[in-house]
Amino acid sequence: NAGVTQTPKFQVLKTGQSMTLQCAQDMNHNSMYWYRQDPGMGLRLIYYSASEGTTDKGEVPNGYNVSRLNKREFSLRLESAAPSQTSVYFCAAGRYNEQFFGPGTRLTVL
Amino acid sequence: DQQVKQNSPSLSVQEGRISILNCDYTNSMFDYFLWYKKYPAEGPTFLISISSIKDKNEDGRFTVFLNKSAKHLSLHIVPSQPGDSAVYFCAASDNAGNMLTFGGGTRLMVKP
Repeated sequence: NAGVTQTPKFQVLKTGQSMTLQCAQDMNHNSMYWYRQDPGMGLRLIYYSASEGTTDKGEVPNGYNVSRLNKREFSLRLESAAPSQTSVYFCAAGRYNEQFFGPGTRLTVL
Repeated sequence: DQQVKQNSPSLSVQEGRISILNCDYTNSMFDYFLWYKKYPAEGPTFLISISSIKDKNEDGRFTVFLNKSAKHLSLHIVPSQPGDSAVYFCAASDNAGNMLTFGGGTRLMVKP
């Protein structure tokens, strides 16, 4: 069991470029989440999906879109990247203390 | 304004001694609290949790204390070990259960 996997691990973008961060889980959890981690700010929720076919905004959704493709996969898209989106992005699956996190994607926007 | 705050960005402790990590919250709707541990280049992993109906929860070397009137929780690690060196995040949830609000994290360094 891989748990929660994320691709890519690292990415450098130029301002205005777009990209999609991929996340997949093999634990059969209904809920999936996208967070960003910035120094001193902890993890902030961008979007979550309580079940297949539903998505909801979290604390910091501006500049992002998500797709819950099926129960396993939850992708995060940056349509026009900005330097303020430089961060480490974590995907998680589960609920409450059962949130299992992926290893993260380190994104730099120049 | 951060609803969950960890006011100490770092803490250094000698091996074998007690580590105490603190967390304060402002939202009185929070009723479930968690601690996560994070090593570099890895995702956070769940450590211990406590419901607002309790004031203490223990799991081996880890104990979480909750003071609802002060809106304060703490994580005690006894005895501390070098492998405990990591960043610790506290998190809180309300009874809707879908979202966790995290604090900024405390970096714990346990010196041999």
